[in-house]
Order: sequence, then C-alpha cells, then structure tokens
Amino acid sequence: GAVVSQHPSRVICKSGTSVKIECRSLDFQATTMFWYRQFPKKSLMLMATSNEGSKATYEQGVEKDKFLINHASLTLSTLTVTSAHPEDSSFYICSARGGGQDYEQYFGPGTRLTVT
Amino acid sequence: GQNIDQPTEMTATEGAIVQINCTYQTSGFNGLFWYQQHAGEAPTFLSYNVLDGLEEKGRFSSFLSRSKGYSYLLLKELQMKDSASYLCAVTDSNYQLIWGAGTKLIIKP
Repeated sequence: GAVVSQHPSRVICKSGTSVKIECRSLDFQATTMFWYRQFPKKSLMLMATSNEGSKATYEQGVEKDKFLINHASLTLSTLTVTSAHPEDSSFYICSARGGGQDYEQYFGPGTRLTVT
Repeated sequence: GQNIDQPTEMTATEGAIVQINCTYQTSGFNGLFWYQQHAGEAPTFLSYNVLDGLEEKGRFSSFLSRSKGYSYLLLKELQMKDSASYLCAVTDSNYQLIWGAGTKLIIKP
C-alpha cells in the first residue's frame, strides 16, 4: 500500500527558532500533499494544499509567511514553522494523494511539535 | 456552508455492536471516508463509499445514502482496541476532504 513518512516524529524547539518538517511519499508519486494541524481532542484542521511545482493554497486564517510550504518534488513536501511560539505547539500531520482516480489521502504518522 | 455532523462521544460494551452516524452538507460530493484515530497517532483509513449502500469489511461496515446526506459506520464484536476516535470526511466538488469533528468511542469491559 501507499506509505507516507514524516520526519521528525517529535521535535522540541525554543521560541523564536524555525522548525522544518518533511513529508515523503515512499512508494508513489504524490501530485497533491496536504498539511493538517490537530489540537488535543479536536479534529484535523487543514492548513494548506500543495501541488508539486506550484505555490501552496492556504486555508483562511493560516499565515503563509509563518507556515512555509514547499512541494519541490512528487515525493517531498516540507512545512517550515518560522519564528515558532508556544501557541504553535501542536500535532502536525501531512497526507498525500496520488492523483488520477485515487482520491484517498494517505497520512503520514504526524509530528509532535513543542515550542518552549 | 459545508458541514459534517457526528456525535461527540459514544460508549459501548466489549463484544457488542455500535453504529456511528454522520450527516453532511457539502458543495458537491465525491465520496465519503471513515478514518480511525488513536490518541497521539495519525488517522488510518477504514472505508470509502461513493455509491449508495453498504460496504462490509470484516467487523466494520459503512453505509451511505447520498439522497439523505447520511452515512454510518457499524462496528461489530467490539474489542477494547476499538477505543478510538472515528472521523467522517467527505470529498467535495473540488476533491477536498471536509472533516467531521470525530466521534470518541469508549469501549467498556
């Protein structure tokens, strides 16, 4: 089956620093990747949608200058949280979709970000 | 607007059957997914319905009625490991996933 990996799985950083999270589709080409944020006991909140080679489409209320998304290849997308603050602490999950008639999103295992 | 409704929490007994309902109002419809999510983990795929009717997969079944904007996930022979959140998500006309808030299922011995 389709496998998506995320790295790192857990990261702790100091306030004011930047953190990069990688999302990779290991055995398929992901034409579209999604980045979600999940607060404790809450559902997934879509942050942005990225298509390979083009700029990401951000959801309303998500600061694109703070959450930089790059989808440089068909197997890799990165999310960089810039100038992180404690309120950015959350569980970030990426998913990837292969395109064509395959509409299922395959999820990465998630990244737990803690900003101190 | 787009809206997905499902109960916040349900409790069931080990070995029993539970039905988790989901109603939706979206701009267009291109399929409905059910995902299972254990605390601290990413969602895992359970089922996908795009046509009306019942899809059975082992202990789990999913039903869809497009005319009623309604789906349910049926879990049989409940096990303690089934304690998790169950997320209903609909693919809209732009093939974006619209998520429900999830139903926390508590299984008691």
